[in-house]
Amino acid sequence: GAVVSQHPSRVICKSGTSVKIECRSLDFQATTMFWYRQFPKQSLMLMATSNEGSKATYEQGVEKDKFLINHASLTLSTLTVTSAHPEDSSFYICSAREGSGGGETQYFGPGTRLLVL
Amino acid sequence: RKEVEQDPGPFNVPEGATVAFNCTYSNSASQSFFWYRQDCRKEPKLLMSVYSSGNEDGRFTAQLNRASQYISLLIRDSKLSDSATYLCVVNLNTGFQKLVFGTGTRLLVSP
Repeated sequence: GAVVSQHPSRVICKSGTSVKIECRSLDFQATTMFWYRQFPKQSLMLMATSNEGSKATYEQGVEKDKFLINHASLTLSTLTVTSAHPEDSSFYICSAREGSGGGETQYFGPGTRLLVL
Repeated sequence: RKEVEQDPGPFNVPEGATVAFNCTYSNSASQSFFWYRQDCRKEPKLLMSVYSSGNEDGRFTAQLNRASQYISLLIRDSKLSDSATYLCVVNLNTGFQKLVFGTGTRLLVSP
């Protein structure tokens, strides 16, 4: 099956620093990638949808200047949490969809656990 | 009202038991439906899609009732390895795909 990787798997950082998370589709081209966030005992919440070569579409309540998304190629999207604060500590998961009309299946990355001290 | 609602559980069952999970969704325009499985501190993984006609995959049976906006998952002959959180997921398909996740139902299968 399709494989999506994320790096790093775990990050611990000081408050005020920026953290970049990479999401890669390893064996397929992903025209659309999605970024989710999951707080403990809560559901995955979509943060933004990213299409290759265009600006990301953010969900209501997600600050686009704080969560910078870049989808520069068909296999790579990055999420940068700028000036991270303890309340940004969460499990960040990306997913990728193959092709432009390539069905509905989203393939999820293994997630990145962020802890901001 | 949450877009996708599930009983959080946990459901504690012995090995071999049959267990059923339910889920309701609020948006009648939802296009497609899924059950995902999420193990502790891991990403969600697709278990099965859900169709109105009902579908079965081994010990797992999923059912959709569009009129009632209700989705179910039945697990027969539970195994220890079935212990996980089961997420009900709805695709709103508002122009492009948008998956909405329920908070999940936790299943604990004991020996």
